[in-house]
Amino acid sequence: DIQMTQSPSSLSASVGDRVTITCQASQDISNYLNWYQQKPGKAPKLLIYDASNLETGVPSRFSGSGSGTDFTFTISSLQPEDIATYYCQQYDNLLTFGPGTKVDIK
Amino acid sequence: QVQLQESGPGLVKPSQTLSLTCTVSGGSISSGSYYWSWIRQPAGKGLEWIGRIYTSGSTNYNPSLKSRVTISVDTSKNQFSLKLSSVTAADTAVYYCARGNWNYANYWGQGTLVTVSS
Repeated sequence: DIQMTQSPSSLSASVGDRVTITCQASQDISNYLNWYQQKPGKAPKLLIYDASNLETGVPSRFSGSGSGTDFTFTISSLQPEDIATYYCQQYDNLLTFGPGTKVDIK
Repeated sequence: QVQLQESGPGLVKPSQTLSLTCTVSGGSISSGSYYWSWIRQPAGKGLEWIGRIYTSGSTNYNPSLKSRVTISVDTSKNQFSLKLSSVTAADTAVYYCARGNWNYANYWGQGTLVTVSS
């Protein structure tokens, strides 16, 4: 089984800050990685697929990069509506989600 | 636009079978090349992929749950279903159904809370 880790588990940042979340896979998954946003009480929403491709309609302040085992998710300028938990998800072998990173406003 | 809605009992007794249905609207469950998945989330915890069924009827399951899970589709009702047997309190969670490709899920239901308790 492929295990996913994320860091940090939570963070607080100011509006306008650049926010970076990392995701690590337990083995090489190429670019088979997606990122989701989940707001409280809501279903997750796909933001980034294939490690770096922005889903249609998602603001360009969100971006993703990486391949192999190490991946990065970035919000270039944090907005109040970005308060949420963010999950990475691999699909090299079935589907596995990371543990999530909770993002708050400082 | 496709919409998904989970339904089923909100309370299940330990050792019994949890049964949920996802009703799809805005498109036929048998058209296109889509995967129909179940994902769950215990309160305050992360997401766990349970399994999926392809348009053709083939299935994949999370190895950790495989022995207890069955996902099936009823094209006549435009629904797909989840059965999870021998439930315990650890199976208490919000259960989501979702549609996607083989690599992601981009349409989700709102989720339904299932509590396992006597």
